[in-house]
Amino acid sequence: GAVVSQHPSWVICKSGTSVKIECRSLDFQATTMFWYRQFPKQSLMLMATSNEGSKATYEQGVEKDKFLINHASLTLSTLTVTSAHPEDSSFYICGANTGGNEQYFGPGTRLTVT
Amino acid sequence: AQTVTQSQPEMSVQEAETVTLSCTYDTSENNYYLFWYKQPPSRQMILVIRQEAYKQQNATENRFSVNFQKAAKSFSLKISDSQLGDTAMYFCAFMKITASKLTFGTGTRLQVTL
Repeated sequence: GAVVSQHPSWVICKSGTSVKIECRSLDFQATTMFWYRQFPKQSLMLMATSNEGSKATYEQGVEKDKFLINHASLTLSTLTVTSAHPEDSSFYICGANTGGNEQYFGPGTRLTVT
Repeated sequence: AQTVTQSQPEMSVQEAETVTLSCTYDTSENNYYLFWYKQPPSRQMILVIRQEAYKQQNATENRFSVNFQKAAKSFSLKISDSQLGDTAMYFCAFMKITASKLTFGTGTRLQVTL
């Protein structure tokens, strides 16, 4: 199956700093990538959809200036959490579509803001 | 907008037994895809099985099969010969044909016991 990687797997940052999370499709080109947030024991909540070379589409209630998404190539999308606060602590997962209407997911990034 | 409902927050099954996880959805679309994803304790999302709505035949992948009832908007997952490695959260998900965005249910936590 298609492989998606995420880096880092766990990051701790201080309040007020920014942190970048990378999502890469390793063996396929992903024209569309997705960023999700997952709270403990809850489902995945879609934050935004990113298409290569264009601006991301954010879901209602997601602050686009706080969660910056860049999809610079067909294999790389990044999520930058700007001016992070403790309430931004969460598990972030990226998904990538193969083009065949199947979405594959990265292993996730645990963000802890102190 | 689409909604996906999983009415069983938790289920338990003994090893080697069969278990069925329920999922219902609401949509005005005629053509769409349905998926079951598994999220084990590692939190890596794994695609278990997919179903195209225009196909009447139920999808099967080894020990996993679905019962797709389009008129009833029901999409249950049957796991046969349950194994300890099947212990995970299971998410039902919906995707429109015209869009690659997934809508997830709230999940069912499955525990396989000896």
